[in-house]
Amino acid sequence: DQQVKQNSPSLSVQEGRISILNCDYTNSMFDYFLWYKKYPAEGPTFLISISSIKDKNEDGRFTVFLNKSAKHLSLHIVPSQPGDSAVYFCAASTNTGGFKTIFGAGTRLFVKA
Amino acid sequence: KAGVTQTPRYLIKTRGQQVTLSCSPISGHRSVSWYQQTPGQGLQFLFEYFSETQRNKGNFPGRFSGRQFSNSRSEMNVSTLELGDSALYLCASSLFQGRRVYEQYFGPGTRLTVT
Repeated sequence: DQQVKQNSPSLSVQEGRISILNCDYTNSMFDYFLWYKKYPAEGPTFLISISSIKDKNEDGRFTVFLNKSAKHLSLHIVPSQPGDSAVYFCAASTNTGGFKTIFGAGTRLFVKA
Repeated sequence: KAGVTQTPRYLIKTRGQQVTLSCSPISGHRSVSWYQQTPGQGLQFLFEYFSETQRNKGNFPGRFSGRQFSNSRSEMNVSTLELGDSALYLCASSLFQGRRVYEQYFGPGTRLTVT
């Protein structure tokens, strides 16, 4: 039962262009949505988050959009840089019935110079 | 401030054995979560502890257990190891306060190989 889905295993983008990573979820109980970035041999690092009561949050080159009716969120990276090449995990969290975070399978982003 | 530390970093065990992994959260963080990462499966939630209490657990068999100590350090134990338990085990801590309730900080993980 995958409650959080990232349907694109990989994405390749030219340096300077926009990267759009997508994520879908199935359960309305989630209070917060987060994106994490992971490099090889390291644990994931927090990137950006959005509350379920908002539809957009921006932090520098990174913007997360939330469409609650479609149960869909996306991460936009503008402009993309080679250092952004990593695996990006979408995550959904709730504190109802105990703190729990569900992660997607990840999308590997390649930014070509 | 030191990050989340996990020991050991690498471990090789044989089927049927048991293993204990350790996690030290960031100082002041009282919430510790454990995840299993396997290729193509992303991070699968194992359990979460707060103030020595397990508040939630994922869909894993009872062979997987954990605990948290009064200093917030946590251990997870896997008994009767199976080949399918080979994975990267990640620990994450959270300040669990205010607007930063949901942000988690991950350790580098323990790579467990079961032969």
